[in-house]
Amino acid sequence: GAVVSQHPSRVICKSGTSVKIECRSLDFQATTMFWYRQFPKQSLMLMATSNEGSKATYEQGVEKDKFLINHASLTLSTLTVTSAHPEDSSFYICSALGLAGGREQFFGPGTRLTVL
Amino acid sequence: AQTVTQSQPEMSVQEAETVTLSCTYDTSESDYYLFWYKQPPSRQMILVIRQEAYKQQNATENRFSVNFQKAAKSFSLKISDSQLGDAAMYFCAYRSPYVGADGLTFGKGTHLIIQP
Repeated sequence: GAVVSQHPSRVICKSGTSVKIECRSLDFQATTMFWYRQFPKQSLMLMATSNEGSKATYEQGVEKDKFLINHASLTLSTLTVTSAHPEDSSFYICSALGLAGGREQFFGPGTRLTVL
Repeated sequence: AQTVTQSQPEMSVQEAETVTLSCTYDTSESDYYLFWYKQPPSRQMILVIRQEAYKQQNATENRFSVNFQKAAKSFSLKISDSQLGDAAMYFCAYRSPYVGADGLTFGKGTHLIIQP
C-alpha cells in the first residue's frame, strides 16, 4: 500500500513552454501533498505544500506564479512549470501525506525536467 | 527555521562492517519528528527509520538503528552488517509536528559506498 505515482517520469521541453507534472496517491487519499526540487548532487528542497481544495503554500523564494499547483482531488496534485527556462531543469519529487498515525510522507518516483 | 546538517559528504565501509552516519539539527521546537531516507540511483526516496522526539528510546529497524541525543540535537544512523544494497545517498530529515508546517527539511546527504 501507500503508493505514489508521478507522470511523466521525464520530460524535455523548449524554453518558454509550460510543463505539467502529475502526482497521484494510488491507494490512499491524501489531503496534503508536497512538492520538492532536487538539483544534481544536491538535497531535496521543499517548494510548496499542496492542500486539497485550497491554495498551495509556497516556501520562501519559490515563485508561485511560475510554479502553479493545483490539488483538485484527494488523490491528485499537479505542478505546472510555466514559461520554463533552462534554470528550471531539475528533478521534481512529490510526496503525499498519509492519514495514519505519524503522518508519514510517501514519495513519488520523481520527474526529471530538462528545458532546452 | 529549522536546519539539518550532515557533515559527511561521503562515507565508505567494507561489506559486513558497521558504519555510522551523522546528523545534527537546529530547532526551537520541543516536539518533532526525525527521519533517515535512502535514495538509491533510481532516485526513489525510501524511508529507513523514524524517531519521534518525545520518545527517549532509540528507534531500530533490523540492521538500522539511531542514536538520538535530544539535548545535543544529534541523530546519527548506524548500519550494521553493511550490504552492497545499502549503497546510496542517505538524507537526514526533520519535520515539525504542526499540521500545515510539516514539509520535510533535509540535510545535504551522505553518499555511502560499500566496498565488497
